Amino acid sequence: ILNVEQSPQSLHVQEGDSTNFTCSFPSSNFYALHWYRWETAKSPEALFVMTLNGDEKKKGRISATLNTKEGYSYLYIKGSQPEDSATYLCACLLLGGGSNYKLTFGKGTLLTVNP
Amino acid sequence: DAGVTQSPTHLIKTRGQQVTLRCSPKSGHDTVSWYQQALGQGPQFIFQYYEEEERQRGNFPDRFSGHQFPNYSSELNVNALLLGDSALYLCASSGGTSGMFLWDTQYFGPGTRLTVL
Repeated sequence: ILNVEQSPQSLHVQEGDSTNFTCSFPSSNFYALHWYRWETAKSPEALFVMTLNGDEKKKGRISATLNTKEGYSYLYIKGSQPEDSATYLCACLLLGGGSNYKLTFGKGTLLTVNP
Repeated sequence: DAGVTQSPTHLIKTRGQQVTLRCSPKSGHDTVSWYQQALGQGPQFIFQYYEEEERQRGNFPDRFSGHQFPNYSSELNVNALLLGDSALYLCASSGGTSGMFLWDTQYFGPGTRLTVL
């Protein structure tokens, strides 16, 4: 079973707090990982695509790391702002049966930043 | 530059009916993927179209079919609707630059909310 798990399911932080959440995946099947931000009533927006072990990506106050050997990625938000409130989705490209790749999404982490 | 557009926004159908959802990709994109997001779940990959052909498919029954037109727009058809088909249907487009089609960054539309009664 090729599961992608995200934790926590939801969290509430105060404006200015830094926070992080996790995406876990089966390391033996891994090919690539995407992070998306999905604000309510909008479309999911791509943040990062990551493929290599030790990869680190940064976009403003948001950064992500990838550990393919242990099967996880962290997304960090520094100094959270109310506009960061959104669901953060992780999607992994995993090798399935034969040479087929399967794109599997986690259920997301819902972040609420209180002013 | 218009992003990905989907129509309709909302749709209500009854069990056994058929539905067609439409998607126009972002300008310059030639690949369209469809996803189903049921309540409380992450999006699930249905299939992907490129050059008017279904290139890859997720674990969805044959009741789910699609089409891509020469202008790269796409339709998702669902036959014999079941209550469990109620979901948000997302369309995403990509430019296919990597050659690994599901690796390319995808640009999502706002979705079509389908309710089956």
